[in-house]
Amino acid sequence: DAMVIQNPRYQVTQFGKPVTLSCSQTLNHNVMYWYQQKSSQAPKLLFHYYDKDFNNEADTPDNFQSRRPNTSFCFLDIRSPGLGDAAMYLCATSRRSGTTDTQYFGPGTRLTVL
Amino acid sequence: AQSVSQHNHHVILSEAASLELGCNYSYGGTVNLFWYVQYPGQHLQLLLKYFSGDPLVKGIKGFEAEFIKSKFSFNLRKPSVQWSDTAEYFCAVNTFGAGNKLTFGGGTRVLVKP
Repeated sequence: DAMVIQNPRYQVTQFGKPVTLSCSQTLNHNVMYWYQQKSSQAPKLLFHYYDKDFNNEADTPDNFQSRRPNTSFCFLDIRSPGLGDAAMYLCATSRRSGTTDTQYFGPGTRLTVL
Repeated sequence: AQSVSQHNHHVILSEAASLELGCNYSYGGTVNLFWYVQYPGQHLQLLLKYFSGDPLVKGIKGFEAEFIKSKFSFNLRKPSVQWSDTAEYFCAVNTFGAGNKLTFGGGTRVLVKP
């Protein structure tokens, strides 16, 4: 089945140790998003790629970076994770066309920072 | 900036009761409206969406939502809930012409007692 896949599902890292989260999609969607979701909160958009164009949210910390080497894959790099970065990280994809755009979410990666 | 508000943070009800979750947004331009559901331990799933046309939209699992443009509202309803509807429900609005981003409401946790 076509879907949004995230690896790993659970990631444990140490304070300050870089970590990379992975997202892949078989939907051939042109937009890929990264969200941060903390417990009992709504997802918060970090950034997205519209094709190869990177769009960063104004309040996303510099500690968070992203790469999209091809249509199918997108990575979230956290350069120096702090305790406050522990959260669920959600990847979503969409096929943006005109004024319609539906996002489909992956299962998320739960990040623990020790 | 656009915002989305959900009226209730927590709702507790018994099986067979009717459910209505309120959602209001603040943006006067073109919008796509969504309800997502997050079952315990699972990823965000699309429940239903509204782009245009009939303001009463039907989604999966017996849910429906009504778009009232004059009230900037998109309320979710289900006539008779089941225990399996226990989940967190997020209203989300995609605004075009204002960054084209998906903004989530704060979520409503629904607990259905058997």
